[in-house]
Amino acid sequence: DAKTTQPPSMDCAEGRAANLPCNHSTISGNEYVYWYRQIHSQGPQYIIHGLKNNETNEMASLIITEDRKSSTLILPHATLRDTAVYYCIVSSRSTGFQKLVFGTGTRLLVSP
Amino acid sequence: DADVTQTPRNRITKTGKRIMLECSQTKGHDRMYWYRQDPGLGLRLIYYSFDVKDINKGEISDGYSVSRQAQAKFSLSLESAIPNQTALYFCATSGPGQGSNEQFFGPGTRLTVL
Repeated sequence: DAKTTQPPSMDCAEGRAANLPCNHSTISGNEYVYWYRQIHSQGPQYIIHGLKNNETNEMASLIITEDRKSSTLILPHATLRDTAVYYCIVSSRSTGFQKLVFGTGTRLLVSP
Repeated sequence: DADVTQTPRNRITKTGKRIMLECSQTKGHDRMYWYRQDPGLGLRLIYYSFDVKDINKGEISDGYSVSRQAQAKFSLSLESAIPNQTALYFCATSGPGQGSNEQFFGPGTRLTVL
């Protein structure tokens, strides 16, 4: 599985967009990009995933570059409850098993 | 009610004791997982199961065993607990097929081995 690189921490003002970057330069063609978050020792929560097209759901948007070597998770209007560690994960589905390798993620702090 | 439940939520035990952590799910998923998380680190996969008859080791299975009693239940055992197994343990589930790769996590069990 490809490795990912994320900044260790980021700050965002409440109400502003939070843009969390992730580099995955060795991603292969059948690997998806997943985003999860973990709020203070709670179980991780799935946010969104994508292959090559941009994706949007009720929680966030995922922008994947055309070469698929990097992506950005966008929380359009961050709230205090979005303070969490955000994990960018690249996972292959070729074996039918969703192996998710969690790194250390980006700690997002949303401030008033 | 939560879709993925774990019991106990907190446990303190002594070195050498046998410990079982239990996980139940009501999502109807066939795939279940056990992870551990150490302070400041990401999650690491201990075991995973595709169905009742299929159990596989993850990246850190030494010192652990599992039992898939039913589709909805997946237990993790520490046969002889040691202090470096002190960690936060998470159970997760996922469904099969295309577009169902997201894993749903339980609330976690905080285990302390003295």
